[in-house]
Amino acid sequence: DAKTTQPTSMDCAEGRAANLPCNHSTISGNEYVYWYRQIHSQGPQYIIHGLKNNETNEMASLIITEDRKSSTLILPHATLRDTAVYYCIVRTPRDSGGSNYKLTFGKGTLLTVNP
Amino acid sequence: DTAVSQTPKYLVTQMGNDKSIKCEQNLGHDTMYWYKQDSKKFLKIMFSYNNKELIINETVPNRFSPKSPDKAHLNLHINSLELGDSAVYFCASSPGWKNIQYFGAGTRLSVL
Repeated sequence: DAKTTQPTSMDCAEGRAANLPCNHSTISGNEYVYWYRQIHSQGPQYIIHGLKNNETNEMASLIITEDRKSSTLILPHATLRDTAVYYCIVRTPRDSGGSNYKLTFGKGTLLTVNP
Repeated sequence: DTAVSQTPKYLVTQMGNDKSIKCEQNLGHDTMYWYKQDSKKFLKIMFSYNNKELIINETVPNRFSPKSPDKAHLNLHINSLELGDSAVYFCASSPGWKNIQYFGAGTRLSVL
């Protein structure tokens, strides 16, 4: 399984862009990068995912380097409600193959958005 | 309109008791999961069901028994509860291969 490395914590000023890095140097060619977040006392929430191209949705942008060994999640205009633990996950396929995958959550990055 | 709902939200019980946590999803997903988040905040998968069939069983004591009466429900029954079972348990569902998982709000289990 590809492992991920994220900073333990980061701070960001409200209204500014939050850039959350993730290293996944052992990622294999068919593995996707997923980002989830967990706001305190809530269940994890899917944010975005990608394989090799940059992706954008209504929540965030995902920038994946050309060698796919790292990625950055960008929250363009962070708000106080974005304070959460952000998890970068490389999808792990089932041992026996097939279409049902499991997610392995690491420690994540605690992003604190300050007023 | 809750997509993935778990009951109860809080569960406090004595060691040795048997308890169940229920999960229902109204998203029409084929795959459902149970995760455990311990006091150190690590989130680990326990089980996954696809169309009522068990597909992932992660080194969980056999005191934990998931049951899926239909693909919209995945319940978790725990026998002979131990102190170490105290944690937050999350249910999730996903539309099969896309693997975008939707989580419930969690059930905080405290074993005294």
